[in-house]
Amino acid sequence: DAKTTQPPSMDCAEGRAANLPCNHSTISGNEYVYWYRQIHSQGPQYIIHGLKNNETNEMASLIITEDRKSSTLILPHATLRDTAVYYCIVRPYNAGNMLTFGGGTRLMVKP
Amino acid sequence: EPEVTQTPSHQVTQMGQEVILRCVPISNHLYFYWYRQILGQKVEFLVSFYNNEISEKSEIFDDQFSVERPDGSNFTLKIRSTKLEDSAMYFCASSDGTFSNQPQHFGDGTRLSIL
Repeated sequence: DAKTTQPPSMDCAEGRAANLPCNHSTISGNEYVYWYRQIHSQGPQYIIHGLKNNETNEMASLIITEDRKSSTLILPHATLRDTAVYYCIVRPYNAGNMLTFGGGTRLMVKP
Repeated sequence: EPEVTQTPSHQVTQMGQEVILRCVPISNHLYFYWYRQILGQKVEFLVSFYNNEISEKSEIFDDQFSVERPDGSNFTLKIRSTKLEDSAMYFCASSDGTFSNQPQHFGDGTRLSIL
C-alpha cells in the first residue's frame, strides 16, 4: 500500500481556509486518496475521497496533483469545530477491507 | 443523515471477564468492521465481516475476539477473557461495499476500561 506523509501539526485562523497537505509519492494508478478526521477521540469521520480529479462536497475540497503524488484537503472557512486530527489514507482498488491510519495532522483552529 | 451507533459509550470490566460491545450499522450497509485505538496511539483495524463471515482480520484479532451479527440490525464484538491491554476505544464502521471508492462510516466508539 502507498505510504502517506503528513505534517504532524498545523494552525489556522478561524474563518480562513485550512490547507492540509499530504504526500503519497508511491501511489498507484488505481489507488484512491481518502481523508478522514477525528475530533477528540470520537470516531473517525469520513470527509472526502478522490482518484485523480479534484473533488468538492459540503465539507471540503480535495485537490490532487496531476502526477497524483500529493494532495491537499481544503476547508474553505475553518471554524473552531474543525479542530481535529486529519488523516490522509491511500486505499488500493479492490482494497479489501481495512483502512490503514497513520499519525495524521493535528489541525488547531484559533480564534 | 444515517449513522453508525455504538453502545455502551463506556464499559468498565474486571480483567478476565467477558465483554460484548454492540453496534448498529447504517441500515442498508452490508460490510461491517471493528477498529480499536489505544490511548495516544493510531487507529488499528481488527476485523471485517460480510455475509455472516469474517472476510479479513488483523494479527490483533486473536482467539479471544469474536464477532457476530445476531439479528438484522446489530453487530457485536466479544472479548472472551479481557486483559489490561484490551483497554482502548473500539470503533465500529460500516460500508455498502469494499471497493476503494466506497467509504467506511464510523460510530463514536465504546471506551473499554479493564481494571
